[in-house]
Parts: sequence; structure tokens; C-alpha cells
Amino acid sequence: GAVVSQHPSRVICKSGTSVKIECRSLDFQATTMFWYRQFPKQSLMLMATSNEGSKATYEQGVEKDKFLINHASLTLSTLTVTSAHPEDSSFYICSAYRNPNQPQHFGDGTRLSIL
Amino acid sequence: TQLLEQSPQFLSIQEGENLTVYCNSSSVFSSLQWYRQEPGEGPVLLVTVVTGGEVKKLKRLTFQFGDARKDSSLHITAAQPGDTGLYLCAGAGSGGSNYKLTFGKGTLLTVNP
Repeated sequence: GAVVSQHPSRVICKSGTSVKIECRSLDFQATTMFWYRQFPKQSLMLMATSNEGSKATYEQGVEKDKFLINHASLTLSTLTVTSAHPEDSSFYICSAYRNPNQPQHFGDGTRLSIL
Repeated sequence: TQLLEQSPQFLSIQEGENLTVYCNSSSVFSSLQWYRQEPGEGPVLLVTVVTGGEVKKLKRLTFQFGDARKDSSLHITAAQPGDTGLYLCAGAGSGGSNYKLTFGKGTLLTVNP
């Protein structure tokens, strides 16, 4: 069964709206979670590493003020796309591992469509 | 920046054929993972290979990790339409990072009945 849950699975909203996506580890505590972005028929691109109790680490080229990450508990990380525009439309996926020696488990993704 | 070159990018074959997907890098990885992803879903882990030269089998799928831990391959025997999907390789532990994954570009496999 799924060990990482992501919500919502799909969002359609108007340009300028801020959208929050949740990622939960269901049966383990995750001090670290990851947020990826995936364009159609392409691979996953790491956006940021979410660290419980501290600031997220963003990959080069990812705007931290645009993509706000909050990891407030050991089982929940949120990604907020602020003032979303059509170019932000994409498939956003989170992942988590039980410990650094274990593989990452992925959520089912969130399809974000900005009109 | 560590890169994983995955090939082929697209593959369309008939049911019953065999195929191999390659994942190559100039970097050494502590482990390499293979995932399969279906449209609208997140990647699902197929296997993790850790030891250089390691071979793992998962039913009709055979995974191999290169001796130098820089490359890997996925071989599917007698492909079935249910094998259709995006196959992703991902390396961990390159450049001192023990947990960040570097993904290949993926291989979109279509198995026609």
C-alpha cells in the first residue's frame, strides 16, 4: 500500500491564485522530504529538499519565494505555489524515505493546471 | 552536476519481444534505483542495486549494476502490454550526497498487443 500520500491529486485554478499541496508520510516519520516537478513525458526534476524544523534547500534556478515549503511536522510537508501562472502548470510529486539508507517512496503526484 | 544518460528515450515494441534500457554516467553512485511510472501517478520503485556487478531479477525483469557503479541496465524478457510505462533510473550518493537522487530522462516504453 501507499506509504506517501499527496493531496490534492488535481487542481485547476485561475492565474494569480496560490495553491497548497500536501505530502504526508503515512506510517513513518520523515525528517526529510523532496519535491519534484515533472513536465509531460519528461523525467523528474528536483525542486527542493524539505527539512523538518528548518528551512528547505532549493535547487539552482528554483525561486524560493515562488515555491514556499513548510515541513511543520515529521509526517507533513507542504508546497505552496504562490501567485501561480500558466507556466507553473505541471505535475508536482513529493517523496520521502524512512532513513537515508532506504529508497525514496513517491506520492501519486498533483496535476496543477493554471488557466 | 551529476548526469545520468538514459537510453533509448522512446521504445515501441510488439508483445513477446525483448528489450534493454541503459543508464550511464561518468559519476559513481552508492546505489541506483529503477522506477516505473504510469500516467498521472507517482513513480513506483522496482529495485535498488547497491553492489558493483550486482544482478537482480524481478520476474521477467533483470537489473544489472556495472562493476564501477557508474552504469546500469534493465532487460525485459517477453514484454507484455502491461509493461507499458515510463521507466526511470535514479542514482543516489554521487558527489557526497547520500540521499539526493539524480534521475535519468526516462524511457517511455510502449508494448503493443
